[in-house]
Amino acid sequence: GENVEQHPSTLSVQEGDSAVIKCTYSDSASNYFPWYKQELGKGPQLIIDIRSNVGEKKDQRIAVTLNKTAKHFSLHITETQPEDSAVYFCAASTPASGGSYIPTFGRGTSLIVHP
Amino acid sequence: DAGVTQSPTHLIKTRGQQVTLRCSPKSGHDTVSWYQQALGQGPQFIFQYYEEEERQRGNFPDRFSGHQFPNYSSELNVNALLLGDSALYLCASSPTGANYGYTFGSGTRLTVV
Repeated sequence: GENVEQHPSTLSVQEGDSAVIKCTYSDSASNYFPWYKQELGKGPQLIIDIRSNVGEKKDQRIAVTLNKTAKHFSLHITETQPEDSAVYFCAASTPASGGSYIPTFGRGTSLIVHP
Repeated sequence: DAGVTQSPTHLIKTRGQQVTLRCSPKSGHDTVSWYQQALGQGPQFIFQYYEEEERQRGNFPDRFSGHQFPNYSSELNVNALLLGDSALYLCASSPTGANYGYTFGSGTRLTVV
């Protein structure tokens, strides 16, 4: 099955700095890579995603890059703000039988943005 | 438009007991997936339901079972609870046939004592 590794497990930055979270995956059949933000006491919320036919995608301060050859993808947050503090999860979604898709999640990165 | 709703939010059970968790998917979504999230870990896939049948299953024992109703809502049942079953149980919904991001509920925090 798919295996997703995520680094670092904890990331501490000053407000205004950039933050980068990196993930690798093992299954070359994975073709969709969402990123989720989980705040305390809440479920994960989709913040951005990228498909295997695209190398980079941007949404305001957030960007994702994908290197299919190396099987790794990254989340970039620029001009970080205290409200960006949360746990971030990457996932790799693999086609399964019956037309379903099952995302496998990384272990998460706790991002702390200091004012 | 309500998102995914889960109940209850918190639950305390004794070892050996049985528990049922409930989930209502986002409007327009007909596929429901359940995940277990241990403290400090990423969500682990339990199973996925579509058209009232279990379509995919992760690496979880038969003590974990589920059900989906005609209105797409779903239940997760866990029998013979173990201390290690203590976790946040997340329900996620998605539209069928589409590889899109899931919409997650806020979860049910299960504590087994």
